[in-house]
Amino acid sequence: DAKTTQPTSMDCAEGRAANLPCNHSTISGNEYVYWYRQIHSQGPQYIIHGLKNNETNEMASLIITEDRKSSTLILPHATLRDTAVYYCIVVGGGSNYKLTFGKGTLLTVNP
Amino acid sequence: NAGVTQTPKFQVLKTGQSMTLQCAQDMNHNSMYWYRQDPGMGLRLIYYSASEGTTDKGEVPNGYNVSRLNKREFSLRLESAAPSQTSVYFCASPLQDFGWTGELFFGEGSRLTVL
Repeated sequence: DAKTTQPTSMDCAEGRAANLPCNHSTISGNEYVYWYRQIHSQGPQYIIHGLKNNETNEMASLIITEDRKSSTLILPHATLRDTAVYYCIVVGGGSNYKLTFGKGTLLTVNP
Repeated sequence: NAGVTQTPKFQVLKTGQSMTLQCAQDMNHNSMYWYRQDPGMGLRLIYYSASEGTTDKGEVPNGYNVSRLNKREFSLRLESAAPSQTSVYFCASPLQDFGWTGELFFGEGSRLTVL
């Protein structure tokens, strides 16, 4: 599975959009980009995933560049409860592919 | 969290003791996973089970055994606990059950300290 690079930490003001970047320059054609987050001491929570197209759900939007070498997770109106570690994971489809979590980005939403 | 239940939530062991972490899912899904998370680190896969009666090693299986006797339960056993196994253990199962998916639902975690 392709390796990902994320900033160690980011800050965001409450109510503003939080844009979390992820680089995955070695991604291959059948690999998906998944995003999870982990609020302190809780289990990780699935947010969104995509292959080529941009995706949106009730939690966030995922923007994948045309060359698929990077992506951005967007939380449109960050709240204090969005403070968490956000993980970007690249993984191939198939029954034996497992998720590999890196260290992620600590997003701190400030009042 | 309804869906994946882990027991116990906290445990303190002495080096050399054994114990079993239990995980049960009520989503009737085939796959189940055990991860560990050390302080300041991401999660690492210990073992996974694609279906009842099958198990496979993940990234860090040494020192652990697993058992998937039925579809609902997936247990993780430490036969002889070591301080290096002090960690938070998470069990997970997919949010959906058609084909493979990376959309996992995680339990609340079991916090294990080995003295």
